[in-house]
Amino acid sequence: DSGVTQTPKHLITATGQRVTLRCSPRSGDLSVYWYQQSLDQGLQFLIQYYNGEERAKGNILERFSAQQFPDLHSELNLSSLELGDSALYFCASSVLSLDEQFFGPGTRLTVL
Amino acid sequence: DAKTTQPPSMDCAEGRAANLPCNHSTISGNEYVYWYRQIHSQGPQYIIHGLKNNETNEMASLIITEDRKSSTLILPHATLRDTAVYYCIVFSRNSGNTPLVFGKGTRLSVIA
Repeated sequence: DSGVTQTPKHLITATGQRVTLRCSPRSGDLSVYWYQQSLDQGLQFLIQYYNGEERAKGNILERFSAQQFPDLHSELNLSSLELGDSALYFCASSVLSLDEQFFGPGTRLTVL
Repeated sequence: DAKTTQPPSMDCAEGRAANLPCNHSTISGNEYVYWYRQIHSQGPQYIIHGLKNNETNEMASLIITEDRKSSTLILPHATLRDTAVYYCIVFSRNSGNTPLVFGKGTRLSVIA
């Protein structure tokens, strides 16, 4: 158990819909990272927040957005969902930016 | 793109040492070598990291060549639970850019 929690564990939805994935970092960690893992793309970094502010951006689509709240939990919002958005979405946290990252168990999103 | 090259797969007999190689010939002076592993669809797990000296922890040892162009992760007594995809990653802890870039990794199969 890494100490990072993610909800929900599974999510099944339809194309065109919007979903929100939630992540609670380890106690004391200020940085939160989001990753997407699909079968053909491997693990792709999406975005990082540090103490409430966006710190780094990776291959995140414009339909996706994220935020980190004052209590340091983070949410990843995915809208206008397409079949290709079906993937595992992982959240990770670290004490400071660029420290060792600890990953949550992931949310498996299926878009039908 | 990942800055590392790893063999796509390896087998190891249970109880023997597993030696996983990684080439990072373009590594720069301030870049660390990190190893993570991912056990079937679970969140990636941090294993170890190093800059230029060899490192050891309770999970593994990391041997970095003197020219830093390659490294080897050693699992001293592999068990069936070590079957996973192992990722070698290089990045600078001083950089504000994308923290982790996962390549395809090495799929290690530990065989009874």
